[in-house]
Amino acid sequence: EVQLVQSGAEVKKPGESLRISCKGSGYSFTTYWIIWVRQMPGKGLEYMGRIDPSGSESNYSPPFQGHVTFSTDRSTNTAYLHWNSLKASDSAMYYCARRDEHPDGDATWFDPWGQGTLVTVSS
Amino acid sequence: DIQMTQSPHSLSASVGDSVTITCRASQSISAYLNWYHHKPGKAPKVLIFAASHLRSGVPSRFSGSGSGTDFSLTISGLQPEDFGTYSCQQSYTTPYTFGQGTKLEIK
Repeated sequence: EVQLVQSGAEVKKPGESLRISCKGSGYSFTTYWIIWVRQMPGKGLEYMGRIDPSGSESNYSPPFQGHVTFSTDRSTNTAYLHWNSLKASDSAMYYCARRDEHPDGDATWFDPWGQGTLVTVSS
Repeated sequence: DIQMTQSPHSLSASVGDSVTITCRASQSISAYLNWYHHKPGKAPKVLIFAASHLRSGVPSRFSGSGSGTDFSLTISGLQPEDFGTYSCQQSYTTPYTFGQGTKLEIK
């Protein structure tokens, strides 16, 4: 079974650093991009960016550029989302997902998704 | 960035009803449009990819249509498990963007 399993909920203070994880299994981890999505309380899904596990090339959506970092560990099939200095406004649910694609390489979609990691930042 | 706008923001319907949710892109995205369903505490699941293709395992009561800038998701014969939020997402270009979501409540 193809699945992504995320690390557990985190409670942090403003200014602290944090790394959350997303472990893939059941497929070739380096073949598919991993994308990250934020969902703030009561809001819709926001695309944060993606990382290519084969070479760790990353691309960030403008609102997140410079504030978060993506990384992967190919030896453990794990992707990471990292903050150096958290803000209260980072409080949200964070999802990872695999970018799947049609065999002809034209259409792409996100499947499966991790179960989400709830991050709470409060003094 | 391509902006995705869904309507309505929320709706309420009864079991057995048919409902349609629309999604409009700020520029043409051909048929690079996906639909997801998510419930509180659960991971989103893809329903439709490439505007009209039903993802394997998704019930046939779900259907999608559209191309260019205007798209729709129709649920024919609502079931109790269909409550939750439906979101569209363009896969035409990065940054991939989502609509703001449509919350479906079952009466």
